[in-house]
Amino acid sequence: AQSVSQHNHHVILSEAASLELGCNYSYGGTVNLFWYVQYPGQHLQLLLKYFSGDPLVKGIKGFEAEFIKSKFSFNLRKPSVQWSDTAEYFCAVGKGSYIPTFGRGTSLIVHP
Amino acid sequence: GAGVSQTPSNKVTEKGKYVELRCDPISGHTALYWYRQSLGQGPEFLIYFQGTGAADDSGLPNDRFFAVRPEGSVSTLKIQRTERGDSAVYLCASSLTGGGQETQYFGPGTRLLVL
Repeated sequence: AQSVSQHNHHVILSEAASLELGCNYSYGGTVNLFWYVQYPGQHLQLLLKYFSGDPLVKGIKGFEAEFIKSKFSFNLRKPSVQWSDTAEYFCAVGKGSYIPTFGRGTSLIVHP
Repeated sequence: GAGVSQTPSNKVTEKGKYVELRCDPISGHTALYWYRQSLGQGPEFLIYFQGTGAADDSGLPNDRFFAVRPEGSVSTLKIQRTERGDSAVYLCASSLTGGGQETQYFGPGTRLLVL
C-alpha cells in the first residue's frame, strides 16, 4: 500500500535553530507533494507544494522543501525558526488526479 | 472572502445515535473533501465531491457513513448508529476545480465525541 511517513513526531527547538522535518513516501513515478501547517487554534493551511520543475521549492514564512526523487523524500526546512512557527506540520503525497494522502504529522514546539 | 465553515464545532452524542455534520465550502469551489482526523494522526480521506457527485468515496470506512452535496455547494456528512471509535475531528476542505494538484482550503473541523 502507498504510504507517507513522517518520522519525527515531536520536535522541540530553540528560536534561531535550523529545522528539517522529514517526509518519505512509497509511491513510484510522478508525484504531487505538499506541506500543510496547522497553527494552534487555526485551520490547516498550505505551506508549499511541488509538482515539477526546480526540486527546491519555496513556501510562505521562509520555509522551503527539497524533492529528492532517488530518496522518495520531500523534507521541509527553515534556516532559523521563530516561536511563531510552533505548529503541527503535515506532509501529503499524491499521484495524478488522486487525492493526496497525509502523513501523521510532526508537532513542532519552538522555545523563545 | 469567507473561508470554509463547518457546523457544529463540537458534537457530543451517544453510541447508536445518528449525527449530521455540515460543511459550507468557499463560494465558487466545485470540489469538496471530507477527512477524519484522530488524535495524533493526519487527516484521513473519506470522500471527494466534484460538483454534486461523489468522485471518490473510497475512504468511507463502512456503510454507516454517507455524504451528500445535493446542490453542489453545502455538503452534509451523515453517520448512522455511531460508535465510540467514530470519535474524531471531521475536517472539510474545498478547492477550485478538484484534482490531485490543487491546494485544499480547510475548515475548522467538527469535533465529534461518541459516548
